[in-house]
Amino acid sequence: NAGVTQTPKFQVLKTGQSMTLQCAQDMNHEYMSWYRQDPGMGLRLIHYSVGAGITDQGEVPNGYNVSRSTTEDFPLRLLSAAPSQTSVYFCASIRITSGVGETQYFGPGTRLLVL
Amino acid sequence: GQQLNQSPQSMFIQEGEDVSMNCTSSSIFNTWLWYKQEPGEGPVLLIALYKAGELTSNGRLTAQFGITRKDSFLNISASIPSDVGIYFCAGLFSGSARQLTFGSGTQLTVLP
Repeated sequence: NAGVTQTPKFQVLKTGQSMTLQCAQDMNHEYMSWYRQDPGMGLRLIHYSVGAGITDQGEVPNGYNVSRSTTEDFPLRLLSAAPSQTSVYFCASIRITSGVGETQYFGPGTRLLVL
Repeated sequence: GQQLNQSPQSMFIQEGEDVSMNCTSSSIFNTWLWYKQEPGEGPVLLIALYKAGELTSNGRLTAQFGITRKDSFLNISASIPSDVGIYFCAGLFSGSARQLTFGSGTQLTVLP
């Protein structure tokens, strides 16, 4: 049971380049999310998915696309990278326990630098 | 987006001392989560709180869900060097986004 895995760990892009950040979970959770973490700002929600085939925007969605073709995978795409997208990106998988509540588990993160 | 007010921002303590940190919000939450993050790693869940007034322990860690649903605290007893890291509170009011609102973090340094 690996939990939430993310690749790559580090990436350097030039402005205008595209890339996909991968996220996978093996806990069979329906809900998954992408956050970015910037200094002094905590984590902010980019996009989320409530199940395969269903995605929606979070707090800071501009410049990012997502898709959810399987329960396990939730990739985040940057179509044309900008320096403002330099950040640490975390994927989260959400366990919901009926009658109790929910808990979010985070991957190890992808550190992205856009030059 | 809204952020929680988390304090203190940083703490320097001697090994063996107890630590307390807290978060307050102008909004109510129905879940409070406490995470620890070490350099180069993702946030690791420490304690989850689901009911107002709930007090939960995890080893040397104890956290409480405030009765007003607008605050939570985390205590660490008898600190040890491996407690070093950044501690985040996160509040959740369940909606379709399942969006956590994070505090800005408390940087804990434990001096030997």
